[in-house]
Amino acid sequence: DAKTTQPPSMDCAEGRAANLPCNHSTISGNEYVYWYRQIHSQGPQYIIHGLKNNETNEMASLIITEDRKSSTLILPHATLRDTAVYYCIVRPRGNDYKLSFGAGTTVTVRA
Amino acid sequence: NAGVTQTPKFRVLKTGQSMTLLCAQDMNHEYMYWYRQDPGMGLRLIHYSVGEGTTAKGEVPDGYNVSRLKKQNFLLGLESAAPSQTSVYFCASSSGDSPSRYYTFGSGTRLTVV
Repeated sequence: DAKTTQPPSMDCAEGRAANLPCNHSTISGNEYVYWYRQIHSQGPQYIIHGLKNNETNEMASLIITEDRKSSTLILPHATLRDTAVYYCIVRPRGNDYKLSFGAGTTVTVRA
Repeated sequence: NAGVTQTPKFRVLKTGQSMTLLCAQDMNHEYMYWYRQDPGMGLRLIHYSVGEGTTAKGEVPDGYNVSRLKKQNFLLGLESAAPSQTSVYFCASSSGDSPSRYYTFGSGTRLTVV
């Protein structure tokens, strides 16, 4: 399985963009990059996913490098409610449906 | 649309007691999962199911059993609870008809074994 590497923590100012990096240098051509977040004590919440093109939805944007070895999740206007642990996950290949969660990045949005 | 519902939300067990955690989803999803999360750690997969009547072991299956008798329900059982099973348990489900499917999680069951 492709492994991901994320910084353990980062701070962000409220109202500013938060850019969360993720390295996945061993990703395979048919593997998607997923981002989830977990707000304190709640179940993880899906944010966005992508294969090789940049993606945007109402929550965030996902920028994937051309070689697909890294990606960045962008929260365009961070709010205090965006304080959470953010997980970057690469979906295993084939018919393996399991998602593996690492330690993630703890993002703290400060007023 | 309730999504994924877990019951109970909290439970305290004595060592050696048994209990069953219930997960119910109303999205007609094929796949269901049980994870546990210990303090300060990521989620670890216990068991999962790829359809009604099927179950499979995940990363940390020991001490747990599961059943998927109905498509919408996935039960997690602890036959003889141990303090090491104190954790927060999350259930999730996903659709199997898209290569870009994503998971929907429940709100968790907080279990303490004393």
